[in-house]
Amino acid sequence: GNSVTQMQGQVTLSEEEFLFINCTYSTTGYPTLFWYVQYPGEGPQLLLKVTTANNKGSSRGFEATYDKGTTSFHLQKASVQESDSAVYYCVLGDDTNAYKVIFGKGTHLHVLP
Amino acid sequence: GALVYQYPRRTICKSGTSMRMECQAVGFQATSVAWYRQSPQKTFELIALSTVNSAIKYEQNFTQEKFPISHPNLSFSSMTVLNAYLEDRGLYLCGALDRGTGQLYFGEGSKLTVL
Repeated sequence: GNSVTQMQGQVTLSEEEFLFINCTYSTTGYPTLFWYVQYPGEGPQLLLKVTTANNKGSSRGFEATYDKGTTSFHLQKASVQESDSAVYYCVLGDDTNAYKVIFGKGTHLHVLP
Repeated sequence: GALVYQYPRRTICKSGTSMRMECQAVGFQATSVAWYRQSPQKTFELIALSTVNSAIKYEQNFTQEKFPISHPNLSFSSMTVLNAYLEDRGLYLCGALDRGTGQLYFGEGSKLTVL
């Protein structure tokens, strides 16, 4: 079945360091891929999405490339800030049902000042 | 812009009692509303999808008898967790699709603690 794997449960960085969060997925077809961010006490918010294979999505300095060859959708940011501290979820969409999204387990990013 | 409000933000209830949570879409018409649960140490699971004037579709392992849902209009939905026990603990989220933009918006979540 469809699945999303985020191996990193927690990432701790200092400000201005490079961020890389690993995400791989398993599915048939060509689903939309998302990254959602969840700040403490809030629901998940869309960070970026990519609907087409081999395309890149970007938002607020974050970017991710939909790589169908390696079935990956890693999230990167060149220089993190303390305000980026949050939980980041890699999410797999469903071709037929926009609500049947599959969340990864999430990666808790902690950025030290 | 589109927003989804959810309340209460957190509830503590005794084992065997029930908890009702509400979801309000603002700025767009929520023809369909989905309810999800994030249990401790788990990721989000889809509970059910509710569409106005249509039957509610529950996912495997979730039933109407346990999680009755009401969706009376294009801006409001509610779900109740009946006879809550420890395994029902978690963060419950509602999600609504803005068909104009195709974006799925989530509420802030209702955290359920069962004593």
